[in-house]
Amino acid sequence: QAGLTQPPSVSKGLRQTATLTCTGNSNNVGNQGAAWLQQHQGHPPKLLSYRNNNRPSGISERLSASRSGSTASLTITGLQPEDEADYYCAAWDSSLRSWVFGGGTKLTVL
Amino acid sequence: QVQLQQWGAGLLKPSETLSLTCDVYGASFSSYYWSWIRQPPGKGLEWIGEFTRSGSTNYNPSLKSRVSISVDTSKNQFSLKLSSVTAADTAVYYCACHPVDFDYWGQGTLVTVSS
Repeated sequence: QAGLTQPPSVSKGLRQTATLTCTGNSNNVGNQGAAWLQQHQGHPPKLLSYRNNNRPSGISERLSASRSGSTASLTITGLQPEDEADYYCAAWDSSLRSWVFGGGTKLTVL
Repeated sequence: QVQLQQWGAGLLKPSETLSLTCDVYGASFSSYYWSWIRQPPGKGLEWIGEFTRSGSTNYNPSLKSRVSISVDTSKNQFSLKLSSVTAADTAVYYCACHPVDFDYWGQGTLVTVSS
């Protein structure tokens, strides 16, 4: 099953800005966009952004999502220690009739 | 407030059937999608399948022949069955429900397949 492509790791300094990317194709990200989830070690994932780039209630305004063609992006400004986590993108694939996930990006805040 | 509480056997032998159940609080089965997702130790997330709000199912093509997801509205539960398990099925299994996109998650259950 084809998944979405994410860089394995990103490192940024405290209070800097990180942009995470997620690349799919016209059947998934390019069609309906990608949702973004954050996972801290030992915990279930937490939804950060819907496929339409809106944030669920309670999610920090420091996070913003966007899409250009078949690549989705999650930007986190003013990085804090608690932002250090694994980040996953997810998209519905209309051809496979299946959700597909990215392999995840480990964000390190230096 | 939507809450999901999952339970089921955590240790299986090869060829057995994995069976997990998720108790649902605060959500209507006709308004949400009901998914199972798994995560092998140290690896990423893999979607297993879903029961849709219209009553149909969609499954990961790579698991479709072994998976069954069902809903019991009388008990406010939804369940996962995965047959003929092998060591490759060892993972933390999560239930999730989403009016939109994976909004709510269970706590996760580690399932280990070992002889």
